Amino acid sequence: GAVVSQHPSRVICKSGTSVKIECRSLDFQATTMFWYRQFPKQSLMLMATSNEGSKATYEQGVEKDKFLINHASLTLSTLTVTSAHPEDSSFYICSARGIPLAGGSYNEQFFGPGTRLTVL
Amino acid sequence: LAKTTQPISMDSYEGQEVNITCSHNNIATNDYITWYQQFPSQGPRFIIQGYKTKVTNEVASLFIPADRKSSTLSLPRVSLSDTAVYYCLVGFSNQAGTALIFGKGTTLSVSS
Repeated sequence: GAVVSQHPSRVICKSGTSVKIECRSLDFQATTMFWYRQFPKQSLMLMATSNEGSKATYEQGVEKDKFLINHASLTLSTLTVTSAHPEDSSFYICSARGIPLAGGSYNEQFFGPGTRLTVL
Repeated sequence: LAKTTQPISMDSYEGQEVNITCSHNNIATNDYITWYQQFPSQGPRFIIQGYKTKVTNEVASLFIPADRKSSTLSLPRVSLSDTAVYYCLVGFSNQAGTALIFGKGTTLSVSS
């Protein structure tokens, strides 16, 4: 299957700072990327969907000005948590769907390894 | 998007077969059924996907009855390393903009 990477895997920051998380598709063109957030002992919650070259669509209750998403290329999407606060501490996971470089299509969604954000 | 219902937790012993059933009464004609596995502090990992009848791969089987209102993930001879959360998801796999919505999942605990 295809590979999705995330960077960094873990980040600790002070309250009020901004943090950028990168999501890359390594061997396929990610026409659509998704960002999820997962709190301890809970399921993944979809935050937003982004298509390459267009604005992200945010789920209800997710502040688009706080969670900035950029999907500038077919292999990279970034999530920036602006002015992070302790309540933003969570596990952030991206996923992608798209087209294999060798052609054909993927039916499944591929997930990154996640980024653990801790805001002090 | 179709809502899914799974048992919250299941317990098993090494070497046993584990069957996790998921209900999806409102599944649409174009929806596929996909199962993911997640270990703590890791992203979900694709296990298997199917549309109808039976699908088998090297790690699991997926049984889907004719009405497609439920599905059963079968894990043969589980080991301790199969302890994880298992999610059943339903969605239209060929629509690029459609996200997978996660339910609560089933926490499988395998003991020796």
